[in-house]
Amino acid sequence: QVQLVQSGAEVKKPGASVKVSCTPSGYTFINYYIHWVRQAPGQGLEWMAIVNPNDGSTRYAPQFQDRVTVTRDTSAGTVYMELSSLRSEDTAVYYCARGSCGTTRCYNYFDYWGLGSLVTVSS
Amino acid sequence: EIVMTQSPVSMSVSPGERASLSCRASQSVSNNVAWYQQKPGQTPRLVIYGTSTRATGVPARFSGSGSGTEFTLTISSLQSEDFAVYYCQQHNNWPLTFGGGTKVEI
Repeated sequence: QVQLVQSGAEVKKPGASVKVSCTPSGYTFINYYIHWVRQAPGQGLEWMAIVNPNDGSTRYAPQFQDRVTVTRDTSAGTVYMELSSLRSEDTAVYYCARGSCGTTRCYNYFDYWGLGSLVTVSS
Repeated sequence: EIVMTQSPVSMSVSPGERASLSCRASQSVSNNVAWYQQKPGQTPRLVIYGTSTRATGVPARFSGSGSGTEFTLTISSLQSEDFAVYYCQQHNNWPLTFGGGTKVEI
């Protein structure tokens, strides 16, 4: 079965960086895009980024463009999301999610989600 | 970016009743809208994609409709397990964007 296993909770100080990992299983790693979506406490969902595990190409939401970096390690079958210059407003659960694919193309909605990684930014 | 506006923000419904949730896009997104269900403390779950296609395992009481800028998620007869927050998402343009959510409660 498809699973996306994420790294554990982190507590960071303002100005620091955090790196969250996502390790999918149950399918061929390079065949599906991985997205990052975050959810602040009591708030809605916010899309951050997408990575193509096959070639490492990425696209970022404009509000995160300067602070987020998504990479992948094909040998480890893992995707990483690093967010820098953290501020209190970055306190949120960070989800990785798999982009769905049909028989001939892929789509930018999410059929499987990780359980989320809570990142708390506090001095 | 495309702004997705959901209404109402919350709605009180009794089990067995019908619920219609609205999602409006600030510009046309064709039929590229998905809906997710999120229960407290849980991960979002894909319910509908491509405006009207139910995801695997989603009961037939869930249906989606619309096109262009106006979309609706309908739950024909609410069951206890349907009480949750529902989010729409457009997957037509970058950046991908979500609506603010509609909370369906008893």
